[in-house]
Amino acid sequence: EAQVTQNPRYLITVTGKKLTVTCSQNMNHEYMSWYRQDPGLGLRQIYYSMNVEVTDKGDVPEGYKVSRKEKRNFPLILESPSPNQTSLYFCASSLWHMANEQFFGPGTRLTVL
Amino acid sequence: SQELEQSPQSLIVQEGKNLTINCTSSKTLYGLYWYKQKYGEGLIFLMMLQKGGEEKSHEKITAKLDEKKQQSSLHITASQPSHAGIYLCGADRMSETSGSRLTFGEGTQLTVNP
Repeated sequence: EAQVTQNPRYLITVTGKKLTVTCSQNMNHEYMSWYRQDPGLGLRQIYYSMNVEVTDKGDVPEGYKVSRKEKRNFPLILESPSPNQTSLYFCASSLWHMANEQFFGPGTRLTVL
Repeated sequence: SQELEQSPQSLIVQEGKNLTINCTSSKTLYGLYWYKQKYGEGLIFLMMLQKGGEEKSHEKITAKLDEKKQQSSLHITASQPSHAGIYLCGADRMSETSGSRLTFGEGTQLTVNP
């Protein structure tokens, strides 16, 4: 089944404790992206990747890191999480960066205490 | 400020009624997408529009992109409780550094009462 998977789905952590949210797609997509969704602010892009080893900042990259060492994986790293990073996070992928349907993962609900 | 403005922010309708959700941009839209989201879940792709004046339909949902490619509407005919959720419009935006990226409106929360 073609899909985007994220892990973990739920995470409660404390300020400053490094964490990684994994994202994997099995559709051989070139383009991958991370978003966060917050009430009143909608869906905002954190980072995106046009291809392996090519990443770029989205609208809200501060406090996040990403890497794209393989086409299928695009982990989101929070080196020192803070409470303002409490949010619902989505990973997405598409065949190409424009004019293509983006497939979304099920979301990761992160709480930073 | 949001690059894409959606209206209304929320909508409550009686089952069987028709409804329209709008998405407006101050800039020309290269690609306009409509997604549906159940609360707390991932987004499900509905339709993509690219050409001015384009219209697409899927079951009871019709989306249109105006001739100037700055406004899109999503119309649901004879709404059902299964249509309830958050509807988001998204648009391709050219990046200054590389390629393009997708930006979204804030979403429209739709409730359909039986």
